Amino acid sequence: DTAVSQTPKYLVTQMGNDKSIKCEQNLGHDTMYWYKQDSKKFLKIMFSYNNKELIINETVPNRFSPKSPDKAHLNLHINSLELGDSAVYFCASSHRSVGGPGEQYFGPGTRLTVT
Amino acid sequence: SQQGEEDPQALSIQEGENATMNCSYKTSINNLQWYRQNSGRGLVHLILIRSNEREKHSGRLRVTLDTSKKSSSLLITASRAADTASYFCATDARYIFGTGTRLKVLA
Repeated sequence: DTAVSQTPKYLVTQMGNDKSIKCEQNLGHDTMYWYKQDSKKFLKIMFSYNNKELIINETVPNRFSPKSPDKAHLNLHINSLELGDSAVYFCASSHRSVGGPGEQYFGPGTRLTVT
Repeated sequence: SQQGEEDPQALSIQEGENATMNCSYKTSINNLQWYRQNSGRGLVHLILIRSNEREKHSGRLRVTLDTSKKSSSLLITASRAADTASYFCATDARYIFGTGTRLKVLA
C-alpha cells in the first residue's frame, strides 16, 4: 500500500546505455513529477505531468524523455547515459489546485550510478 | 540563484534548543511549503502556508511568511535528535528546491 513507488531503487549501468525508471502512485493524484538530486544534495525539478499532459519541462537534455501512460504512472527514460547523470531521481505526485500544487508526496528515490 | 533558497546551509544545535531556518524566493506566490528529507530518503511534506497567511503552526513547527520581503521562516521548538534532517522550501511558482538547510540535533 505504498503511496508513491519507484523501481528500481538502485541502478548501476555503463556510459552509453539506455535505462528507464518507473514510478507509480496510488493516491489518485492528477499531477506527477520527476526531480533530480545531485551529489551536493541540490534538488531540482525536471518534468511535471498533469492528467498525462506535460506541463513542466525544465532545461533537461533531450536524452531524458518522460512518458505518462496514465495518471498513475510516470516513467523516465534516459538515452546514452553519461557520467553526469549519476544522481538520485525522485518521483512525486500531488493534486493540482487553482493556487498551484498542493502537498507533494515523494517516492523513495532511485539511485543511478553511471560508470 | 534559484527560487526557494534556504538559509543557513547548515545548523547544529543541542537537543531541546529551538532551530530556525529561512527561505527566500523571487516571484509572487500562492503558497509556500516546507519539506523534510532524512538522509537518503524522499522528502516528506511538513506544512503549507498560503500567501494570505502570516503564520501557521503544526505541533512543534511554526512557519511565518512575509510576502513583502519574499521570505519565510521555519521554527522547530524543543528539537529532538530525530529532527536531524535536511529541510527544504518550495513555492508554487517554481519547483526548484535547492540544497536545503542541513539540521543536526546533538543528543
